[in-house]
Amino acid sequence: AQTVTQSQPEMSVQEAETVTLSCTYDTSESDYYLFWYKQPPSRQMILVIRQEAYKQQNATENRFSVNFQKAAKSFSLKISDSQLGDAAMYFCAYRNSDVGTSYGKLTFGQGTILTVHP
Amino acid sequence: DAGVTQSPTHLIKTRGQQVTLRCSPKSGHDTVSWYQQALGQGPQFIFQYYEEEERQRGNFPDRFSGHQFPNYSSELNVNALLLGDSALYLCASSLGAWFQFFGPGTRLTVL
Repeated sequence: AQTVTQSQPEMSVQEAETVTLSCTYDTSESDYYLFWYKQPPSRQMILVIRQEAYKQQNATENRFSVNFQKAAKSFSLKISDSQLGDAAMYFCAYRNSDVGTSYGKLTFGQGTILTVHP
Repeated sequence: DAGVTQSPTHLIKTRGQQVTLRCSPKSGHDTVSWYQQALGQGPQFIFQYYEEEERQRGNFPDRFSGHQFPNYSSELNVNALLLGDSALYLCASSLGAWFQFFGPGTRLTVL
């Protein structure tokens, strides 16, 4: 079974600074997807960024980028120019690419609470 | 285009009761997945419905059951509620096994 581990229960950053959230995972699959979701106090789970394991290039979405290290099974999220609206719980998630067996089921980490200080 | 909607927003029940939570998928989506998120934890997969059948199930007891209707909406039923069932219940919809979009969740409190 796949597992996802987020070892940082809480992180904080000053507005306009950069912060990196860590995630490691365990899988025997060679092809899969990794995601970062943001969950603000409103509870809505919002997709921040995703990475296909077969792609060597790290995904980037505006101020959000990932450092995907497949051999190390590491998938960190970097938030640049942090804004007050970035404050939320962040979850790392894994999904097999073989939809015939996984049907797209997501496996989540425990989450990291990000606080942004003005 | 409405996203995933869930009802009710909040729910309070007592131990032993039964509860039904509802989910309407995003327009064009045919698959609904349910997750349980305990306070301060990551979501845990309960089950997924496709073509009105349960296609995959997580490690949850039979007290948790569901249904999908012809219009792709879905219900999650929990019988014989326990205190430990208190959680945020998230519904996610997708087109087949493609990427999931989440609803705002239903907060269930069991007293």
